[in-house]
Amino acid sequence: AQSVTQLDSQVPVFEEAPVELRCNYSSSVSVYLFWYVQYPNQGLQLLLKYLSGSTLVESINGFEAEFNKSQTSFHLRKPSVHISDTAEYFCAVSDTGGFKTIFGAGTRLFVKA
Amino acid sequence: GAGVSQSPRYKVAKRGQDVALRCDPISGHVSLFWYQQALGQGPEFLTYFQNEAQLDKSGLPSDRFFAERPEGSVSTLKIQRTQQEDSAVYLCASSLARQFSYEQYFGPGTRLTVT
Repeated sequence: AQSVTQLDSQVPVFEEAPVELRCNYSSSVSVYLFWYVQYPNQGLQLLLKYLSGSTLVESINGFEAEFNKSQTSFHLRKPSVHISDTAEYFCAVSDTGGFKTIFGAGTRLFVKA
Repeated sequence: GAGVSQSPRYKVAKRGQDVALRCDPISGHVSLFWYQQALGQGPEFLTYFQNEAQLDKSGLPSDRFFAERPEGSVSTLKIQRTQQEDSAVYLCASSLARQFSYEQYFGPGTRLTVT
């Protein structure tokens, strides 16, 4: 069975500081990996995804994540955060041959001025 | 707008009542998913439809939960004889294609409170 662990439930950080949100997964088969973001009072939306190929994937608003197969990790990073990045971030994994998407418990990123 | 819509947005039910939650996916989306999100947790998979076929219902917590998508578009999640542990946000998502590489688009959710 697959599982996703997000090691930090809350991450407070000052504006313009770098941030890393950690995600580890377990799976015995090939997977797709995703980060979803939920801004206050909004629905979940896809931030970025890893399907195959380059292990480093980027979003349009400056986030990036790197797939590390040996460490079964897919950590999310941003070199300089903005107040508007305050949101809850969910890491998720899908079995490439199945139907389920398994989500982590989420990490609440709080950016302070 | 053209996003996924869910109704009602909020539902309060007395324990033992039946409830029906509706999901309108994005037009043309083949895949439809239901998730349950408890407070402080990530979404948990309930069931998956490809058009009208329910291909995976392994996440439904009990036989009180039933989902359907009879014409391959709108879907309804029904919970019979609601219990307090059913209180959660129920999320619906749709996706353009069968492959899991495609992005899931989420609705705003229905917050169910069982008293």
